[in-house]
This record gives sequence, C-alpha cells and structure tokens, in this order.
Amino acid sequence: EPEVTQTPSHQVTQMGQEVILRCVPISNHLYFYWYRQILGQKVEFLVSFYNNEISEKSEIFDDQFSVERPDGSNFTLKIRSTKLEDSAMYFCASSEIQLTDTQYFGPGTRLTVL
Amino acid sequence: AQSVSQHNHHVILSEAASLELGCNYSYGGTVNLFWYVQYPGQHLQLLLKYFSGDPLVKGIKGFEAEFIKSKFSFNLRKPSVQWSDTAEYFCAGNTGFQKLVFGTGTRLLVSP
Repeated sequence: EPEVTQTPSHQVTQMGQEVILRCVPISNHLYFYWYRQILGQKVEFLVSFYNNEISEKSEIFDDQFSVERPDGSNFTLKIRSTKLEDSAMYFCASSEIQLTDTQYFGPGTRLTVL
Repeated sequence: AQSVSQHNHHVILSEAASLELGCNYSYGGTVNLFWYVQYPGQHLQLLLKYFSGDPLVKGIKGFEAEFIKSKFSFNLRKPSVQWSDTAEYFCAGNTGFQKLVFGTGTRLLVSP
C-alpha cells in the first residue's frame, strides 16, 4: 500500500537556524498538508498546498514558514529561523481529491530546537 | 469556531472489555468526521470516516462510530478490545475545507 514518507525522522537544531523538513506524498495525490503537534497538545493544521500554491494556511504559518514542491515528488516545509517553540512533531499528509477524500499521514519528523 | 473535543484523555481497559471513546464537534453546516489511530511508534492511520448516509460507520479492526447529529457526537466503539488496540485515538473533522481540526486525543491502554 502506498505511504507518505518523511525525512528525517528526528532533527535537532540550534535556535535561529534554518531547517527543511521533507515529505514524499503518495504519487497520485494532488493535495498536500503540513500539521504539527507540540508535545502534549493537539495536532494543529499549518498549511495546505494544491497546484503549486498555498490553498489555506493557519495563523501559525507566518513568514518564518514556507512550503515548496521542488520536483514531482517532494514536498518541503522550511522554517527560516527556528524558535524554541517550534519544537514539535511535524506531520505531512496528502489526499487525492478535495473534501471527501482521506488525508494520509506520514510518520512525522520530530523537530527539537535547542 | 470549528472545534472537536474528546472527553477521555486516558482510558485503561482489560482485554475483552467494551470500548467507547467520546467525540463532540462544533461546526456549522455539513461536517465530515474521522477517527485516526496512532499505534506506538507509527504514523496516524485512518480507522473510519463519515461523510453522509448511514450514521453508523464501520471501520477497520472491528471499530465503528455513530454520528448523532442532535448530540453533535461521533463516538468510537469496539465491543471487545485486544491488547493490540493500545494506541492513541484522534477524532477529527472538516467542513469541506481541506484542513482537519483534531481533538486532543485519547490514550488507550489495554492490559492483557
């Protein structure tokens, strides 16, 4: 069964550094998402992406964040200057069509900002 | 504002006990509801989903959920749990926009 994959599984970085989290969505999916879960808190939506542009973003997704689909398979989340409060598990998801289709989640990247 | 709430944060059951995890939603209009499960060390997996039609939805691994519109609820049930059901369970919803709104999750521990 096709799966969403994410790399790395764990990223440790210093505050102020840039990080790029990578995701490979399921190959025939058209919608891509990033969510995050701070330890002990809810899974929160960050951004959705379709047709090479952001379709929706949350208040969390400020100018420090960006997403890109640099080629036909990868979908990346960049944090330009990490803060301590960016420490969280970041999940990528993808779905085939809007609204009624299931979002399939990757295993997550645990980001630790020191 | 759209929200999903789960009442039970931690549940401990013995094998063969029946399970019911609560989920309430606050949405205007049409709502799509999901239950996801996260087994230890694994990613979020879909258990079941409700979009329309029969309010009793059956999912994988013997789980089911009932959409009760009058109670704004979508509780997850399983008649007899197994040790392998130990996991964290997340209720989530959306209304036709793409983003999912998640509840806080319920950690289920099933003792053998």
